[in-house]
Amino acid sequence: RKEVEQDPGPFNVPEGATVAFNCTYSNSASQSFFWYRQDCRKEPKLLMSVYSSGNEDGRFTAQLNRASQYISLLIRDSKLSDSATYLCVVSRSAYNTDKLIFGTGTRLQVFP
Amino acid sequence: NAGVTQTPKFRVLKTGQSMTLLCAQDMNHEYMYWYRQDPGMGLRLIHYSVGEGTTAKGEVPDGYNVSRLKKQNFLLGLESAAPSQTSVYFCASSNLLEFSGGAVEQFFGPGTRLTVL
Repeated sequence: RKEVEQDPGPFNVPEGATVAFNCTYSNSASQSFFWYRQDCRKEPKLLMSVYSSGNEDGRFTAQLNRASQYISLLIRDSKLSDSATYLCVVSRSAYNTDKLIFGTGTRLQVFP
Repeated sequence: NAGVTQTPKFRVLKTGQSMTLLCAQDMNHEYMYWYRQDPGMGLRLIHYSVGEGTTAKGEVPDGYNVSRLKKQNFLLGLESAAPSQTSVYFCASSNLLEFSGGAVEQFFGPGTRLTVL
């Protein structure tokens, strides 16, 4: 079983739709959680960190459920420019940045 | 401010050849990393460095060596390339940990696409 699991998709949604991705992680000692965005043939870039209380950044909302060990990302009012692969990233340890574990990504395609 | 840069962008090698990938960052970051990304596998850490002159093994270090002689540069070497090393290689850097101990954002370079025939 992979340490971080995501549905690879693709999720095909029309502009304006709301779409949600989930990610599960197996290590209960995981401390930090992130969503990165990766455009086709480009490098990953941080989209947002995920905090226990949940956090929102514009149209994006991230939530963490430690008890069930899953992380979610909600995108409201989808734009064509949201088309990308979304990587769920988990840190095994709070004190070592070398322990980032990347999911394989969920691909989102927004169509007109 | 270029961020993280990688050279070369593309390379084709024959089995057994050697090469060095160069990563440079101008953000004065302490930590630097080399990852490889393969279809269906996600990004996997090869080696990392927590400061000039120090390196450590990541998840998949076999077949690779690294050096960090200068703070801003992190080199990844393949001494004898194998087809299994065909991949996209990303370098990343990050600042020191937050005071709270939480992991911080990693900034990635544009990647190097390597094919080993």
